[in-house]
Amino acid sequence: AQSVTQLDSHVSVSEGTPVLLRCNYSSSYSPSLFWYVQHPNKGLQLLLKYTSAATLVKGINGFEAEFKKSETSFHLTKPSAHMSDAAEYFCVVSERDTGRRALTFGSGTRLQVQP
Amino acid sequence: GAGVSQTPSNKVTEKGKYVELRCDPISGHTALYWYRQSLGQGPEFLIYFQGTGAADDSGLPNDRFFAVRPEGSVSTLKIQRTERGDSAVYLCASSLRTEGDTQYFGPGTRLTVL
Repeated sequence: AQSVTQLDSHVSVSEGTPVLLRCNYSSSYSPSLFWYVQHPNKGLQLLLKYTSAATLVKGINGFEAEFKKSETSFHLTKPSAHMSDAAEYFCVVSERDTGRRALTFGSGTRLQVQP
Repeated sequence: GAGVSQTPSNKVTEKGKYVELRCDPISGHTALYWYRQSLGQGPEFLIYFQGTGAADDSGLPNDRFFAVRPEGSVSTLKIQRTERGDSAVYLCASSLRTEGDTQYFGPGTRLTVL
């Protein structure tokens, strides 16, 4: 069975400082891993996706994530936070090799950006 | 192009009533998914359609929940005898076969059961 653990429920940073949102996964198969962002009262937006082509994945809005198989981690980073980055972030796993299409979401990390 | 749309955006109903929630996927997307997001939690999978058939309904919590996709496009999630615990945001997503497991989400329907 697959699962995702987001290690921080809340992260607060100052505008212009780096962002680190931590995620560990568990999967019996070769996983696909995603980060989605959810702004208040808006739908989930895909930030980036890992599918084994490259371990460092670049996404939208300056975000990137690195897949580390030895650590079963897929942490999300951004060099410099903007006020508009304040939102809920979800780490997500999919066991694509099994043919099962359901996504498994973490519990989310709420990012606050202080001026 | 247009994204996934869901109607209504908000639905308030009384305990015991029947509700229908609608999802219009992105044009050309053959796969459609329903998820439920309770307050303060990540979305949880309910059901997945490939074309008209439910390929995986393992996430439906009980037999009060049912979903259809009769023509392989629009889908309706139906909840009978609603309970207060059904209150949540119901999310729909769709995907293109050639993009594998990348899913595109709609804005959701917020269901409140009084």
